[in-house]
Amino acid sequence: DTGVSQDPRHKITKRGQNVTFRCDPISEHNRLYWYRQTLGQGPEFLTYFQNEAQLEKSRLLSDRFSAERPKGSFSTLEIQRTEQGDSAMYLCASSFSIGQGIDGELFFGEGSRLTVL
Amino acid sequence: GESVGLHLPTLSVQEGDNSIINCAYSNSASDYFIWYKQESGKGPQFIIDIRSNMDKRQGQRVTVLLNKTVKHLSLQIAATQPGDSAVYFCAENGSGNTGKLIFGQGTTLQVKP
Repeated sequence: DTGVSQDPRHKITKRGQNVTFRCDPISEHNRLYWYRQTLGQGPEFLTYFQNEAQLEKSRLLSDRFSAERPKGSFSTLEIQRTEQGDSAMYLCASSFSIGQGIDGELFFGEGSRLTVL
Repeated sequence: GESVGLHLPTLSVQEGDNSIINCAYSNSASDYFIWYKQESGKGPQFIIDIRSNMDKRQGQRVTVLLNKTVKHLSLQIAATQPGDSAVYFCAENGSGNTGKLIFGQGTTLQVKP
């Protein structure tokens, strides 16, 4: 499978615990995005990387959230001290872009569904 | 603030009919727009895109129309099939030279056999 891969697909945790999601983008893609999607809503932008540089972060990304892409390949999204409001689908996407803007489509993974009890 | 919205939350069509899904965007600086399809339990899947220097773009069974004057985007699906049943999102790149996409809330397309 050469698409965007996310792990785990489902995570159930108790409030206050930390969780980490991993995303493996399409190998030749230099951009990697994290989005959050709640039921009935469109994906909300969280952050994106170009290679290993984190270029933009949404105000939705509170200080409990941190994303990394240390070698410009896979990325992790960690949520510390989870709250019930963090329950959502966390989507990863990747693309290849030359300039600053968007050159082409974002390819999405299947998402990691988080449930905080 | 920046937002992309859709006029109707649910659209129900008969199999074989044409479907039109509408989207209104608020940021006149957006110059790139994409339609995505999302089936239950899956990530969004690219359908078609259009840049602001175009008014119309056609794909296989799909056409996207862009009206920059009224900031309106539409997706037309010809001969709608049961496999087209999904939630459809429009997305825009927003203001500035940013690499992010801003999504609308989505329209659920139900295809009746």
